[in-house]
Amino acid sequence: DADVTQTPRNRITKTGKRIMLECSQTKGHDRMYWYRQDPGLGLRLIYYSFDVKDINKGEISDGYSVSRQAQAKFSLSLESAIPNQTALYFCATSDVQLAGVLGEQFFGPGTRLTVL
Amino acid sequence: DQQVKQNSPSLSVQEGRISILNCDYTNSMFDYFLWYKKYPAEGPTFLISISSIKDKNEDGRFTVFLNKSAKHLSLHIVPSQPGDSAVYFCAASDIYGGSQGNLIFGKGTKLSVKP
Repeated sequence: DADVTQTPRNRITKTGKRIMLECSQTKGHDRMYWYRQDPGLGLRLIYYSFDVKDINKGEISDGYSVSRQAQAKFSLSLESAIPNQTALYFCATSDVQLAGVLGEQFFGPGTRLTVL
Repeated sequence: DQQVKQNSPSLSVQEGRISILNCDYTNSMFDYFLWYKKYPAEGPTFLISISSIKDKNEDGRFTVFLNKSAKHLSLHIVPSQPGDSAVYFCAASDIYGGSQGNLIFGKGTKLSVKP
């Protein structure tokens, strides 16, 4: 079974709709992240969470919100989707206690979101 | 302004030859560097890392070199195999600094290894 799972894997929606992307992990990691990938732009950080009570904005948080329901679950919401939010979205986790490999993140398979 | 730059969007190499992927950074506070590999329809997977106290780290066919004075790192793959064809992302972090260990990614280089 995959350590980091994302649902849905693909989603097509319309402008103005509310969308939630979900991420679950079985790695027992404290830190979780949401990124988006656009062609030619690499991975950009949307939000990150160091534990259930600690949520922080990343580079491009406008238009997004997150919820850390439990250590293992981190969801990303688009309150009112717009076409330029069409992208590939990745969830990732990391373990702050792994000395020597601090910073390594484990990624989910991604959600391809299309906003029409 | 990009803090991590991968200036070559693509690279094509013959099977068995060396692949060299380059990455430059601008933030002198970065002290930990990673390479990730990404296949289509999959998430990025960790490949190799290096901390700023080293100038080389090797893992099988993969070697990462760090030149701190030039703010440059490179990933060498020897010998290259068709299965290495993927997008490679360079990432950097200042573990003890203001970024709280978050990773800053480059835009990626698409490597194609031809049989």
